[in-house]
Amino acid sequence: SQQGEEDPQALSIQEGENATMNCSYKTSINNLQWYRQNSGRGLVHLILIRSNEREKHSGRLRVTLDTSKKSSSLLITASRAADTASYFCATDKKAAGNKLTFGGGTRVLVKP
Amino acid sequence: KAGVTQTPRYLIKTRGQQVTLSCSPISGHRSVSWYQQTPGQGLQFLFEYFSETQRNKGNFPGRFSGRQFSNSRSEMNVSTLELGDSALYLCASSLAPLDAEAFFGQGTRLTVV
Repeated sequence: SQQGEEDPQALSIQEGENATMNCSYKTSINNLQWYRQNSGRGLVHLILIRSNEREKHSGRLRVTLDTSKKSSSLLITASRAADTASYFCATDKKAAGNKLTFGGGTRVLVKP
Repeated sequence: KAGVTQTPRYLIKTRGQQVTLSCSPISGHRSVSWYQQTPGQGLQFLFEYFSETQRNKGNFPGRFSGRQFSNSRSEMNVSTLELGDSALYLCASSLAPLDAEAFFGQGTRLTVV
């Protein structure tokens, strides 16, 4: 079963705009990771945020984590056509080692 | 540094056959996990290995099995294939079992006909 839900399921934006997607989860977590997937290929690791962190940046990516609301958001600033992909959040719990539980993903289309 | 390597990339098998997929983790990584991705169920955890021991197992039938070798390479096996086993199988490698980023391979696309 999926740990959480991602919102929206799909997003269409113009190049240069910002894209924001959200991930909610159900149980307490240890870490939350965001991944990108292009057309059914492998998952590319974007960023990991730990449960005691509130915000992290990596290049054009900004991730926030609100453990009280059990939610996270991924912001991609100044989007490019190459950002077109599906984005997934994945959580893990201390008791479950490296077992990741994924959300359903957000499909992002960046139009040139 | 080489990434996670999965072989083969594509595979077509017939119902009832068995299949073995291979995963070579990033050099130095000792934890390997396997996931199944389908359009209907999304990404689901199969199992995790660390130091040749299975640490975690997902909710899949016994037809799905795996193992890890002393060099951390891992294989997963699916016996008596069913049409519903058609999926993208992804392998992830991590440095250690906890608090570690997981890096994925390109996956093996299995089609069962």
